[in-house]
Amino acid sequence: GAGVSQSPSNKVTEKGKDVELRCDPISGHTALYWYRQSLGQGLEFLIYFQGNSAPDKSGLPSDRFSAERTGGSVSTLTIQRTQQEDSAVYLCASSLGLENTIYFGEGSWLTVV
Amino acid sequence: TQLLEQSPQFLSIQEGENLTVYCNSSSVFSSLQWYRQEPGEGPVLLVTVVTGGEVKKLKRLTFQFGDARKDSSLHITAAQPGDTGLYLCIRGATNKLIFGTGTLLAVQP
Repeated sequence: GAGVSQSPSNKVTEKGKDVELRCDPISGHTALYWYRQSLGQGLEFLIYFQGNSAPDKSGLPSDRFSAERTGGSVSTLTIQRTQQEDSAVYLCASSLGLENTIYFGEGSWLTVV
Repeated sequence: TQLLEQSPQFLSIQEGENLTVYCNSSSVFSSLQWYRQEPGEGPVLLVTVVTGGEVKKLKRLTFQFGDARKDSSLHITAAQPGDTGLYLCIRGATNKLIFGTGTLLAVQP
């Protein structure tokens, strides 16, 4: 596609429910990143995929968070048993590589009530 | 820990004023990108600087990469309300992106 596409753009969920956030990177981009941005906070690294290499999951805040990237393209970030502190904007970005231009999606706004 | 420190963290100015935002690191980096993020949107790329001493201009925005490639600056001339947003410097590093601490700019009409 022309840019990084994320869905849903907005999601309100009840505490304890599971949510899935989707990211469609730019075609051909081997690097894909998930970050989250809480109100008034900086960007927090979650997970990084690069090609067929094992992803860097070091930023996932708990075992309720998981992510996968199928076929080296679309990625899904899953949050199980959501908590209120999970409320944030979840940003996906892709690039050809770490030293290349990074393109961000518009983010998925998650609100846990 | 590789950090990118930005200053100032917050800036509120009147339309027409000039401003400079700084991005500093203790380590050398091969390239750096500046982004602007507006409320409700993801960061949008403004420019990539690659060469030490490089200066790039984007309309009223001037970006400079330090000679030692440890720092960069963004200068805005005659700021306008449309410049309001969060300015981020970002660089790539092993396995992740390194984000600057961010500068929140508010330009009052």
